[in-house]
Amino acid sequence: DAEITQSPRHKITETGRQVTLACHQTWNHNNMFWYRQDLGHGLRLIHYSYGVQDTNKGEVSDGYSVSRSNTEDLPLTLESAASSQTSVYFCASSEKVTGAEQFFGPGTRLTVL
Amino acid sequence: DQQVKQNSPSLSVQEGRISILNCDYTNSMFDYFLWYKKYPAEGPTFLISISSIKDKNEDGRFTVFLNKSAKHLSLHIVPSQPGDSAVYFCAARARGQNSGGSNYKLTFGKGTLLTVNP
Repeated sequence: DAEITQSPRHKITETGRQVTLACHQTWNHNNMFWYRQDLGHGLRLIHYSYGVQDTNKGEVSDGYSVSRSNTEDLPLTLESAASSQTSVYFCASSEKVTGAEQFFGPGTRLTVL
Repeated sequence: DQQVKQNSPSLSVQEGRISILNCDYTNSMFDYFLWYKKYPAEGPTFLISISSIKDKNEDGRFTVFLNKSAKHLSLHIVPSQPGDSAVYFCAARARGQNSGGSNYKLTFGKGTLLTVNP
């Protein structure tokens, strides 16, 4: 069955370290998204991609970067982790079809000490 | 500025009764609305959606109503079951603004925690 996976599921790191969160989907979806979920804020879009070599900033992109070298993967990199980036991160994907819903991964809980 | 608002952080109902979750939006470019359900330690899962050309969509126990003039939508769950206890997110998609451009991004509300008591 097609799916979307994230790794690691839990990560503890220190301030200033570079961290990369992986997202892999086997739906063959063109669209991929990264969100963070924080108490009192719901889900906020960090970065998104509509295809290979395409990346775009979302509403909370400062301190994050993504790259899309193939259809299946959209890794999220925190260049220099900050305590404000402690959060739960969700990756999602969708078809490039009007009205298509997004399918979410199980999430990565990141703690920055 | 919050474009999708879920003003009730939590809602508690009795098993078998109706649950009504509300969502308001401000962006008149939104043309597609979705509800997601989220259990703890899991990713959100799609529940039901509605296009702006409709005012109602039904799927089993779940019905979404859209009132475009009021920029308001609601999710009705009848009858509510303990397994429905979860956080419910309202989300909206704006139509593409550029000629030939498409928009697949979603804007989410903050969520409402529904608790269904046995």
